[in-house]
Amino acid sequence: GQNIDQPTEMTATEGAIVQINCTYQTSGFNGLFWYQQHAGEAPTFLSYNVLDGLEEKGRFSSFLSRSKGYSYLLLKELQMKDSASYLCAVLDSNYQLIWGAGTKLIIKP
Amino acid sequence: GAVVSQHPSWVICKSGTSVKIECRSLDFQATTMFWYRQFPKKSLMLMATSNEGSKATYEQGVEKDKFLINHASLTLSTLTVTSAHPEDSSFYICSATLLAETYEQYFGPGTRLTVT
Repeated sequence: GQNIDQPTEMTATEGAIVQINCTYQTSGFNGLFWYQQHAGEAPTFLSYNVLDGLEEKGRFSSFLSRSKGYSYLLLKELQMKDSASYLCAVLDSNYQLIWGAGTKLIIKP
Repeated sequence: GAVVSQHPSWVICKSGTSVKIECRSLDFQATTMFWYRQFPKKSLMLMATSNEGSKATYEQGVEKDKFLINHASLTLSTLTVTSAHPEDSSFYICSATLLAETYEQYFGPGTRLTVT
């Protein structure tokens, strides 16, 4: 079967750095997405990785290792507004998005 | 760019009635539109994939006669929940892809449905 694992919840301090991991087992791979979702709102796009390595975009970076079936989202200089759920999703061989359950990130002052 | 709207944002209806939710891509023509539902503290669950001018492809376990999807144009898809019941209460979200090559999905703001 297809499976995406990410921690259910993480807590971090304002101004710090946090890394949210995602491991996947899917039938084929055509890229991995990270989305941010605030409570009661729709997801918003953060990043897309299809090749191995680190993609940096401001305070957010995303890393991919296809051989390990592993990705992480790195958030630097955390702000209170970063409190949200972070969803990992993989595009499988049929170009269908397989969603993880999301990681709820709690930022404390 | 790549803005998707949904209407209504929230709706309360009585059991047995039908509710229509609209999803529009405002500034682009969407190759494909997707309909999701999401229960509290749960991940997105894909209900169906919709291409303009053709029948929607429903995921396993989703009743196509209950959740009617019409994709009338490249900018509009509608989801009709027929004969709604309280267990249909959920957050319904649509998304659209700009181009088949990118596969990035742009999400609408969601519709909160409560069936009493």
